[in-house]
Amino acid sequence: DAGVIQSPRHEVTEMGQEVTLRCKLISGHNSLFWYRQTMMRGLELLIYFNNNVPIDDSGMPEDRFSAKMPNASFSTLKIQPSEPRDSAVYFCASRLDRGVEAFFGQGTRLTVV
Amino acid sequence: AQKVTQAQTEISVVEKEDVTLDCVYETRDTTYYLFWYKQPPSGELVFLIRRNSFDEQNEISGRYSWNFQKSTSSFNFTITASQVVDSAVYFCALSERGGGTSYGKLTFGQGTILTVHP
Repeated sequence: DAGVIQSPRHEVTEMGQEVTLRCKLISGHNSLFWYRQTMMRGLELLIYFNNNVPIDDSGMPEDRFSAKMPNASFSTLKIQPSEPRDSAVYFCASRLDRGVEAFFGQGTRLTVV
Repeated sequence: AQKVTQAQTEISVVEKEDVTLDCVYETRDTTYYLFWYKQPPSGELVFLIRRNSFDEQNEISGRYSWNFQKSTSSFNFTITASQVVDSAVYFCALSERGGGTSYGKLTFGQGTILTVHP
């Protein structure tokens, strides 16, 4: 299997623009996590889906952030409008079941200028 | 609510020294899973080991070993005879299995930066 695939790997955008990050899960996995990593706050869980249903979105910073799973193998994380404080590395991870390890994508490094 | 604490922010050792990374967790669930991940300078997050709450048997894998103690809610990780390539950020993580509100949420500690000097 190709593993979790994230795109783009790097994104530079201007403040106020819309940004969409994409994630393809490992085939057969039913849980999906979006994390944000910064020096100040470490790895923060933004949202967690199980079987395409959002279970916990308490980590989503504010209404500017939204995440979807249009199907069982794909997810998007959208930021609109983007702000410089959104600059971070965004990881998605997928998991086969609740009791096993999650596998991470390579991450998307987002820079908002 | 589940919580993972890695009290050591940074550790610096000289090659061939042994080093232990500490992890303490909090959970109300009786069934849970603990993990260690490694993040090398290249940035990817690599899974190292998983333990469930019913398995307190400690494990050794090459130069790595893990010490799980439910009585103290700790899941520590030791690298024996450290090498420069072990330099990375190490994360401890917790996932509850039960039917509580977390429903399998995966929570990470803040990470420990390990630097191994030649």
